[in-house]
Amino acid sequence: QQPVQSPQAVILREGEDAVINCSSSKALYSVHWYRQKHGEAPVFLMILLKGGEQKGHEKISASFNEKKQQSSLYLTASQLSYSGTYFCGTDNSGNTPLVFGKGTRLSVIA
Amino acid sequence: EPEVTQTPSHQVTQMGQEVILRCVPISNHLYFYWYRQILGQKVEFLVSFYNNEISEKSEIFDDQFSVERPDGSNFTLKIRSTKLEDSAMYFCASSERRGNSPLHFGNGTRLTVT
Repeated sequence: QQPVQSPQAVILREGEDAVINCSSSKALYSVHWYRQKHGEAPVFLMILLKGGEQKGHEKISASFNEKKQQSSLYLTASQLSYSGTYFCGTDNSGNTPLVFGKGTRLSVIA
Repeated sequence: EPEVTQTPSHQVTQMGQEVILRCVPISNHLYFYWYRQILGQKVEFLVSFYNNEISEKSEIFDDQFSVERPDGSNFTLKIRSTKLEDSAMYFCASSERRGNSPLHFGNGTRLTVT
């Protein structure tokens, strides 16, 4: 079951914040976040496991609300290097392959 | 840092031809995957492989597709008779475990079917 990401695209000025959401219609075991730059492979950012934890990675952090079956990725004080497409990947049981959302294209401009 | 390597980086083939895409996963990883991404679209799951057999496959992975681990290091995806709609970027990935372990992606093979 493919997760739903929103927004589809966002444009930020350097230093602005953004939130990307990922939701599922089924219970989630884990949510993964990846960033893909144009012409490159997706690169792992972080995993969140059921339990409602929040994780941080420099100025990028994420939360996981197990009850609402959704995760949010927070990008604060954005930098030009944050530009790319962000994908969430979800695993419903801990033993199934990741299914990715359609992605959120983030553009950071000077 | 160890990485997943894929060859070739770009493959052009004619419709109906067979292609083999190659991948060398990270050496201590146990799970291997193929995903594909049609230009500008989402990353779609094709197949996962564990303990020398397919563990899951999607409906995209029909009889035209097969995977193999012919030796201790390589992991291959074969498309028997390519179609125009098989044109895409094919990513190999590997992980140590399932569920709570990140996927490490290779740089992909861009397949163009003419």
